[in-house]
Amino acid sequence: KAGVTQTPRYLIKTRGQQVTLSCSPISGHRSVSWYQQTPGQGLQFLFEYFSETQRNKGNFPGRFSGRQFSNSRSEMNVSTLELGDSALYLCASSPGTVNTEAFFGQGTRLTVV
Amino acid sequence: AQKVTQAQTEISVVEKEDVTLDCVYETRDTTYYLFWYKQPPSGELVFLIRRNSFDEQNEISGRYSWNFQKSTSSFNFTITASQVVDSAVYFCALSAVFSGSARQLTFGSGTQLTVLP
Repeated sequence: KAGVTQTPRYLIKTRGQQVTLSCSPISGHRSVSWYQQTPGQGLQFLFEYFSETQRNKGNFPGRFSGRQFSNSRSEMNVSTLELGDSALYLCASSPGTVNTEAFFGQGTRLTVV
Repeated sequence: AQKVTQAQTEISVVEKEDVTLDCVYETRDTTYYLFWYKQPPSGELVFLIRRNSFDEQNEISGRYSWNFQKSTSSFNFTITASQVVDSAVYFCALSAVFSGSARQLTFGSGTQLTVLP
């Protein structure tokens, strides 16, 4: 069974640009969550999508958005990039029920210069 | 609001020693789930164990064991006979059921475990 696939693995962007990250969940999983990991703030929840609907959202500005497609693949977009957006962005896949664990991809390392 | 505290920032042990990673959590929910994840240098968070708030039975799975105590809000994780490959950052996480964040994991700050040969 294939794991969670995130693309690209590494990205370098300039301040003010926008970026789109992609996540393909485990086959059959309908929930995709996104997390931001930085040395200063640690792992923070961004949002969760289930069956193409955003089900939960963390405390991030509106520059961070996402969507989920009918095949459960998800994309995350960050507009007007700031230096502080440099982070490892992790995607988590799960069946979507509360009593199940999430499985993570290897992440996308975003560097904003 | 939920909070997870991992007071140990870094731990260093010699191979074959046992090591316990501490985790203390805070939540007002009565039903919640606790997790341990491992993050090797590759960056991927690897799921290790999950525990329900209504099941305090402690278990052993191979070299891993955990001690869940609701009375002290602690969920400690032990690796027996540690190996060099166990070197990683270990995260404790919490998800609550009825506070609207059932599928949102709140993570601790992580413990860097280094196992020396």
